[in-house]
Amino acid sequence: SQTIHQWPATLVQPVGSPLSLECTVEGTSNPNLYWYRQAAGRGLQLLFYSVGIGQISSEVPQNLSASRPQDRQFILSSKKLLLSDSGFYLCAWSHRDRTGELFFGEGSRLTVL
Amino acid sequence: GQQVMQIPQYQHVQEGEDFTTYCNSSTTLSNIQWYKQRPGGHPVFLIQLVKSGEVKKQKRLTFQFGEAKKNSSLHITATQTTDVGTYFCAGLRNFNKFYFGSGTKLNVKP
Repeated sequence: SQTIHQWPATLVQPVGSPLSLECTVEGTSNPNLYWYRQAAGRGLQLLFYSVGIGQISSEVPQNLSASRPQDRQFILSSKKLLLSDSGFYLCAWSHRDRTGELFFGEGSRLTVL
Repeated sequence: GQQVMQIPQYQHVQEGEDFTTYCNSSTTLSNIQWYKQRPGGHPVFLIQLVKSGEVKKQKRLTFQFGEAKKNSSLHITATQTTDVGTYFCAGLRNFNKFYFGSGTKLNVKP
């Protein structure tokens, strides 16, 4: 069966510090990978989308970046965090060869102080 | 950009009452999905609708996809406290890119 792991679950970072959130998927190959952000009490905003290693599509301009160094690994990064980067970050995957559901990780709650 | 609108933002009901949330897109969708997010949790897939005018049921939940494939609704009959959470629609426009509505937060009073 497929599983998705996302970490860390919670982190508190000062403004201007770097960020690295990691997500890995097991039990499937060539997944589509996604990073979403959910502000408190709000909907899910698509940040990045990847169909393969090294292929990243950015949805919104921001100081975040994403990388996919391996087929089932997706990393969200920032060199300098802003207060507005606080939120609940969700990694998700879907099957490459068919249109179906998104499978979400448990999420990473980021607080920037 | 993301143009999937969802209403209402909040809904408070008494247990046993019905609940409906509506999703509208400014463009035609390939399909639409519905997710439920419990407080403190992550979204969990409920259902996918693909065909124009499609209606699907899951026990007390009824999902509809509009004829023009631009709108959808989720109706819960006789709500229970276990229905508490935020319900999101997600529209698929470009290949495998899902745009979520803002969600409807449902609170059910016992």
